[in-house]
Amino acid sequence: DAGVTQSPTHLIKTRGQQVTLRCSPKSGHDTVSWYQQALGQGPQFIFQYYEEEERQRGNFPDRFSGHQFPNYSSELNVNALLLGDSALYLCASISGGETDTQYFGPGTRLTVL
Amino acid sequence: GNSVTQMEGPVTLSEEAFLTINCTYTATGYPSLFWYVQYPGEGLQLLLKATKADDKGSNKGFEATYRKETTSFHLEKGSVQVSDSAVYFCALRESNGIQGAQKLVFGQGTRLTINP
Repeated sequence: DAGVTQSPTHLIKTRGQQVTLRCSPKSGHDTVSWYQQALGQGPQFIFQYYEEEERQRGNFPDRFSGHQFPNYSSELNVNALLLGDSALYLCASISGGETDTQYFGPGTRLTVL
Repeated sequence: GNSVTQMEGPVTLSEEAFLTINCTYTATGYPSLFWYVQYPGEGLQLLLKATKADDKGSNKGFEATYRKETTSFHLEKGSVQVSDSAVYFCALRESNGIQGAQKLVFGQGTRLTINP
């Protein structure tokens, strides 16, 4: 049973560029959440997708957007990258029948130069 | 809003020592509480959880008890090993009322190093 997978593992971009990160949820999970973890900090909630719609959003600017596909996989897009966007981006998935436990992927390390 | 506060790190212990990592929370109601662990270069792994007051979560020798009186969820282990070296995060589940809609609110993390 595959867990949550994310791609790419690492990414380097320059200021002003745009980036797309990808996530495949754990088998049987239909809900995907994205978190940003700055160095030395705890993860911060970006948003959650369910049934291809954004269901909940944290305190992140509109430069951060997402999408969920019919197969429940998801993308996180960040436009006009800033140096402060450098972080580990984590994807988590939830089973509708076990809503208490979020399962995390290994993350994508984004570096903005 | 809801928040989680963890004890400041880093924490350095010798193998077989007793471990306590303090965690307190501020929340409306009684949210589910979690401890996640992050090994170097990896994502988060669920270590244990408790869903209501007085529940004790346990896994791999770690345990934590949900104390509503003190709004705490301290992580303990009786005898730590070098392989326990990692960053530990305390978190609470916050729901906005829409069924299934939830997010985790994390503490800042506590880095634990165990020396042989």
